[in-house]
Amino acid sequence: EPEVTQTPSHQVTQMGQEVILRCVPISNHLYFYWYRQILGQKVEFLVSFYNNEISEKSEIFDDQFSVERPDGSNFTLKIRSTKLEDSAMYFCASTEENTDTQYFGPGTRLTVL
Amino acid sequence: RKEVEQDPGPFNVPEGATVAFNCTYSNSASQSFFWYRQDCRKEPKLLMSVYSSGNEDGRFTAQLNRASQYISLLIRDSKLSDSATYLCVVRSRGQNFVFGPGTRLSVLP
Repeated sequence: EPEVTQTPSHQVTQMGQEVILRCVPISNHLYFYWYRQILGQKVEFLVSFYNNEISEKSEIFDDQFSVERPDGSNFTLKIRSTKLEDSAMYFCASTEENTDTQYFGPGTRLTVL
Repeated sequence: RKEVEQDPGPFNVPEGATVAFNCTYSNSASQSFFWYRQDCRKEPKLLMSVYSSGNEDGRFTAQLNRASQYISLLIRDSKLSDSATYLCVVRSRGQNFVFGPGTRLSVLP
C-alpha cells in the first residue's frame, strides 16, 4: 500500500538554526499539507500546497516558514530560525484530487534546544 | 468559541463496553466530517468519514446532525486495541482541515 514518508524521524537543533523537514507524498496525490502537533496539544494546520504554490496557510505559518516541492517527489518544510516553541511533531499529509481523504506520514519530531 | 470541540475525556471503559464520543463545530459552512484515531506519538489515521445519513463500519457508527452542528462516534464491543485518542476533523469546501483536541479512550481488561 502506498504511504507518505518523512525524514528524519527525529531532528534535534539549536535555537536559531535552520531546519528542513522532508516528505515524500503518495505519488499520484496532488494536494500536500503540513501540520504540527505540540506535545499534548491538538493537531494544527500549517499550510496546504497545490499546483506548485501555497493554497492556504494558517497564522502559525509566518515568515520563518516556507515550503517547496523541489522535484517531482519531495515536499519540504523549512524553518529559517528555529525557536524553542517550534519543538513539536510535524506531520506531512497528501490527498488525491477531488477527495478529502488525507494520508499522513509518520511525522518528524523536532526538538529545539 | 473554538472551531471544533470534543468531549474532554479521558474515557476509561472495560472491554466489551459501548462508548460514545461527541464533537461540535462552529462553522455552519463545514461540509466534510471525519473521525481519525491517533495512537500515542503516531500520526493520525482515518477511521471513517461521516455522512449526512450516518454510516457504520463494523463496530463503529458515526452520526452527523447539521442543524445542531454535532458529530458523534459510537464504538460497540470495545477492544483493548481501540485504546487511542479519537480526533474529530471538519472541513469547509476549499478550506483547510480543522482538528478537534481529541478524546482519549482507554479500554481496560
